[in-house]
Amino acid sequence: GAGVSQSPSNKVTEKGKDVELRCDPISGHTALYWYRQSLGQGLEFLIYFQGNSAPDKSGLPSDRFSAERTGGSVSTLTIQRTQQEDSAVYLCASSAQLAGGTDTQYFGPGTRLTVL
Amino acid sequence: AQSVTQLGSHVSVSEGALVLLRCNYSSSVPPYLFWYVQYPNQGLQLLLKYTSAATLVKGINGFEAEFKKSETSFHLTKPSAHMSDAAEYFCAVSTLNQGGKLIFGQGTELSVKP
Repeated sequence: GAGVSQSPSNKVTEKGKDVELRCDPISGHTALYWYRQSLGQGLEFLIYFQGNSAPDKSGLPSDRFSAERTGGSVSTLTIQRTQQEDSAVYLCASSAQLAGGTDTQYFGPGTRLTVL
Repeated sequence: AQSVTQLGSHVSVSEGALVLLRCNYSSSVPPYLFWYVQYPNQGLQLLLKYTSAATLVKGINGFEAEFKKSETSFHLTKPSAHMSDAAEYFCAVSTLNQGGKLIFGQGTELSVKP
């Protein structure tokens, strides 16, 4: 595809349920990032992938959050036992990662998660 | 560690007036600085970035920003606001060897009055 895509666009779940959020990066982009955007916390970094490995998971807020990337492409962010404070827009971005951190990150439209 | 502070969560200007959105950063190593724009219900789009070349950076839609090391600032300007500029603007910082991880400011919502 031409850009980063995310699915679903909206997800409503009940407290305690598990959810999976998907990100399809731009083809050929080796770096993939997850961010969270919420009213109280603004835009926060969650995790970064280079290829299939995650050198930086420092932003994951708790062990209920995990992410994986397979085939150097699609990534899934999983939230277990969701809590109301997990409600936010989850944004994915990808970059070619050729220039040591200065590459432009291209963002997807996000997944709006609502935990009831 | 790096951080970004955006002064003013809301800025309102008249159409045709100067736009000035303020961003100050903190970094113990040379920073890379970015401005992103987010239109309602859309993802973020890069406006411009500073990567240690020219300190005055020109971006899309007539925006520009100047890196001032002495003031630790990277303010965003546009000489003449257009109605279509109404959006939320985010300043962000990253550094070498951080994998490109972006640390964002809290954002500034720009309103443009006719």
